[in-house]
Amino acid sequence: SQQGEEDPQALSIQEGENATMNCSYKTSINNLQWYRQNSGRGLVHLILIRSNEREKHSGRLRVTLDTSKKSSSLLITASRAADTASYFCATVPNTGFQKLVFGTGTRLLVSP
Amino acid sequence: EAGVAQSPRYKIIEKRQSVAFWCNPISGHATLYWYQQILGQGPKLLIQFQNNGVVDDSQLPKDRFSAERLKGVDSTLKIQPAKLEDSAVYLCASSSSVLSNQPQHFGDGTRLSIL
Repeated sequence: SQQGEEDPQALSIQEGENATMNCSYKTSINNLQWYRQNSGRGLVHLILIRSNEREKHSGRLRVTLDTSKKSSSLLITASRAADTASYFCATVPNTGFQKLVFGTGTRLLVSP
Repeated sequence: EAGVAQSPRYKIIEKRQSVAFWCNPISGHATLYWYQQILGQGPKLLIQFQNNGVVDDSQLPKDRFSAERLKGVDSTLKIQPAKLEDSAVYLCASSSSVLSNQPQHFGDGTRLSIL
């Protein structure tokens, strides 16, 4: 079963704009991860945020986590056409094993 | 380092036939995963191996799906007999350990179409 839902399902922006994607999940977690998937390719790990962290940065990526609301957001700043992809949040439940439970994904289109 | 290798990239079969997928993880990665990704959805874990032992196969339809990881390196996933609803991309991933803070590295998947 899918743990999380992402919002919006699809997002279309211009190059240089910021893109924000949200993820909601259902159970308590050990950590939350974001992955990118280009069309026809596998998923690529972007960033991991632990349950005791509230914000994390990596290059043009900023991730926030609110465990009280069971939600996370991914911000991509100054987007580029190469950022066009599907973005998935994945949670690791508090079971001790690396078992990723993926959300439904956000399809991002960045136009030149 | 070389990534996760999967083959074939595409497979078309008729329902009730059998099919097998192969995965070679990143060298030294002890943990291997198979996921099913239906069009428009996120990946769903089918089975997780730690070396050559199964850690989690709770979502594997065991009446038709089987997987093995002999010698703790390569893995194969088999479907027999295939149903129409098995049309999906089958992704293999590996990680350096079973600890939850290790990222998973994915192959490009096998796209299976059932006619």
